Amino acid sequence: NAGVTQTPKFQVLKTGQSMTLQCAQDMNHNSMYWYRQDPGMGLRLIYYSASEGTTDKGEVPNGYNVSRLNKREFSLRLESAAPSQTSVYFCASSRGTPYGYTFGSGTRLTVV
Amino acid sequence: SQKIEQNSEALNIQEGKTATLTCNYTNYSPAYLQWYRQDPGRGPVFLLLIRENEKEKRKERLKVTFDTTLKQSLFHITASQPADSATYLCAPYNQGGKLIFGQGTELSVKP
Repeated sequence: NAGVTQTPKFQVLKTGQSMTLQCAQDMNHNSMYWYRQDPGMGLRLIYYSASEGTTDKGEVPNGYNVSRLNKREFSLRLESAAPSQTSVYFCASSRGTPYGYTFGSGTRLTVV
Repeated sequence: SQKIEQNSEALNIQEGKTATLTCNYTNYSPAYLQWYRQDPGRGPVFLLLIRENEKEKRKERLKVTFDTTLKQSLFHITASQPADSATYLCAPYNQGGKLIFGQGTELSVKP
């Protein structure tokens, strides 16, 4: 079972460039999430999608947009990357509250 | 605002001992709380869920307690092994039904 697949695994961007982080799950989960993880800050929720066709802001949505393309896929877009967006990004999925989340292996993004 | 606090200092213990990790939360009352394990360079892995009406939950060598009066959860690993070395994350659900993660406690089990 693949679980949650994230691409790419690593990326270096220049300030102002744009990119899309891809996430796909094969567990037929309704809910999907994007988190960022920074040293000393823990995991912070950027955006989530409770079900196909819906998306909502999390704790730190500024500078990001998302698309729930279908039940399997949930992408995160950085329109104009900033050094403050240097982080490790994790996608996760779940059946919904209160079930556990399944996380991808992460994308390590550096903005220079 | 809702806040989660875990031991910020790494916990170093000897193999075979019981590791106890603490999670304190403030400014809300979660109905559910989860614990995750995270290894370096990997995503968190779900371990256990405990509900507010459950005082204790066990899974093999793992035990979690949930004290809603103290606003605290304790995570125990009995008979610890070097393979248990990792960072452990506490994650209570907030009022909006989303997980809020603590910063994690790094556990190191020495042979």
